Order: sequence, then C-alpha cells, then structure tokens
Amino acid sequence: GENVEQHPSTLSVQEGDSAVIKCTYSDSASNYFPWYKQELGKGPQLIIDIRSNVGEKKDQRIAVTLNKTAKHFSLHITETQPEDSAVYFCAATSDTGRRALTFGSGTRLQVQP
Amino acid sequence: NAGVMQNPRHLVRRRGQEARLRCSPMKGHSHVYWYRQLPEEGLKFMVYLQKENIIDESGMPKERFSAEFPKEGPSILRIQQVVRGDSAAYFCASSPTGTSSVGEQFFGPGTRLTVL
Repeated sequence: GENVEQHPSTLSVQEGDSAVIKCTYSDSASNYFPWYKQELGKGPQLIIDIRSNVGEKKDQRIAVTLNKTAKHFSLHITETQPEDSAVYFCAATSDTGRRALTFGSGTRLQVQP
Repeated sequence: NAGVMQNPRHLVRRRGQEARLRCSPMKGHSHVYWYRQLPEEGLKFMVYLQKENIIDESGMPKERFSAEFPKEGPSILRIQQVVRGDSAAYFCASSPTGTSSVGEQFFGPGTRLTVL
C-alpha cells in the first residue's frame, strides 16, 4: 500500500519568512495530493491540492510543487503570518483502488510574531 | 451551505460500553470516509462508504467496529465494547458524487472519544 513520509515534524519561522514542508510517497499510481491545515481541536481543512498532470499550483501565498519522477511534493507558504500556525498534513491517493487518503505524520508550524 | 457535521463532538464511555458516532455529509455528497487520529499522529483511514454500500473497510479493525450509511440519515460508526485504546479523535469526510476521478475530501470537526 501507499506510504507517505513528511518532514520536518516541527518548523518555527519568523513572521514574514517562508515555510517549506516536504513529503514523499511510495505508490507510483498515486495521482492526487492534497494538503490540510489542522488547528487545535478542529478537523483538517483542505488548503490546496494538486493532481499528477501538473507540476505546480499556486493560490495566493500558498503553492504546491510535485515531482512525479522523484515521488515527492512540497508545500510552500510565503509571507507567513501568526494565523498560519497550525499542524499541516500532506496526503496521497489515486483514482484507482481505495481512494482513501494516506496521510503524512504532520508538521507543526509555529510562526513567531 | 453547511459543511460536514459530526455529533457528538465529545463522547465519554466506560470500558465495555458502546459508542455511536454520527456523520452528515455535505449537501450533494454521497461518499463518506471515516478516519481515526491518535494524539500527535496523522489520520488513519478506516472505512469508505456510499449510500447503502461499504466500498472499502480495509482500515477498520475486524472486531467491535462497524459502519453504515443508510439511504436516509447520517453515516454511523459504531464501536462495541470499547477499550482504552479506542480513545482517539474520529473524523468523517465527504466527497462529491458522481466523479470518475478522485474528489476532494472535506472533513468534519470530529468526535473526540474518551474511554475511561
């Protein structure tokens, strides 16, 4: 089955700096890669996703890149703000098979004001 | 447009009791997924259902756990004879109906189960 590894487990940045979170996946059949933000006591919130037919996608301060050959994808947050502080999860799945998301272990991002 | 709804938000049970967790998907969604999250860990898939059908239950423990999504009403995750190891946050997600490609999954606020 699919295995998703996520790094780093914790990340502390100064407000205004950029943050990068990286994930690798094992199943070459995976073709959908969402990112979720989870605040304390809440459910995961979908913030951006990418499908395997594109290499990059951007939404305001958030971007995701995908390297299918190397089987890794990354989340980039620019101009970080204190409200970006949360736990971020990457995930992977495919159109075929189970369609269930396989999640990474999470990155706790702390933005220092 | 209401999001995914889960209730109760918090549930306390004693060992040996039953826990029932409910999930109402977003309007227009008929695909429901249940995930479990242990403290300080990622979410683990449990079961995938469509109306009146279990599509994939490969992530669900073989004993004590069951799930349903009836034609009418919410999806139910049922845990019989709970043990302390069942203490976790249980999240439901829904995705749109009728897409050939895998769709976005939108999560509810979760039910936090505590087993005493």
